[in-house]
Amino acid sequence: GQQLNQSPQSMFIQEGEDVSMNCTSSSIFNTWLWYKQDPGEGPVLLIALYKAGELTSNGRLTAQFGITRKDSFLNISASIPSDVGIYFCAGQESGTYKYIFGTGTRLKVLA
Amino acid sequence: SQTIHQWPATLVQPVGSPLSLECTVEGTSNPNLYWYRQAAGRGLQLLFYSVGIGQISSEVPQNLSASRPQDRQFILSSKKLLLSDSGFYLCAWEGSLEQYFGPGTRLTVL
Repeated sequence: GQQLNQSPQSMFIQEGEDVSMNCTSSSIFNTWLWYKQDPGEGPVLLIALYKAGELTSNGRLTAQFGITRKDSFLNISASIPSDVGIYFCAGQESGTYKYIFGTGTRLKVLA
Repeated sequence: SQTIHQWPATLVQPVGSPLSLECTVEGTSNPNLYWYRQAAGRGLQLLFYSVGIGQISSEVPQNLSASRPQDRQFILSSKKLLLSDSGFYLCAWEGSLEQYFGPGTRLTVL
């Protein structure tokens, strides 16, 4: 099925560093969602974005809805060991109930 | 508050056997419901979604089917499992343009 391009595919960073990841699409989305998934568990919603240019924070996490409506970015500041996991973006096209998911960014934090 | 349940949590089934996975949502009415499958180390593949009782949209025409017999119940079924059906099955509900996932069912077909 259709998937978003998400990058990077994986990241190894030192504790305390900032992290950036992004998703791009060939389609225009009305909604962007960002999730974190721990092994063996369902994804947990981190941030939801609804307007082009919107910048939303959730603690150390900040996400932006790209102006073109075809991309979104997630930043994590001052990473800690519990940030380890797989991060997914998801977008919803106008007039549909479907969400398209990115391929995921696997984050590992070295203490 | 809303909660979503899936069972069983894990399942090991032989090839050719039937399948029934259940998902229920509490604390909301008329949610949009979704079934996804996730292969090991991969992203989420949308299988089915439903916007109301008895209304099922299929995204992947395989040997799987879905049903929504009640407002907050979503069932994933198969008459004969294939090896390729192994994976992590996730149910999700949507409310106010936010989608929330259940804990998942790990299915292994041998």
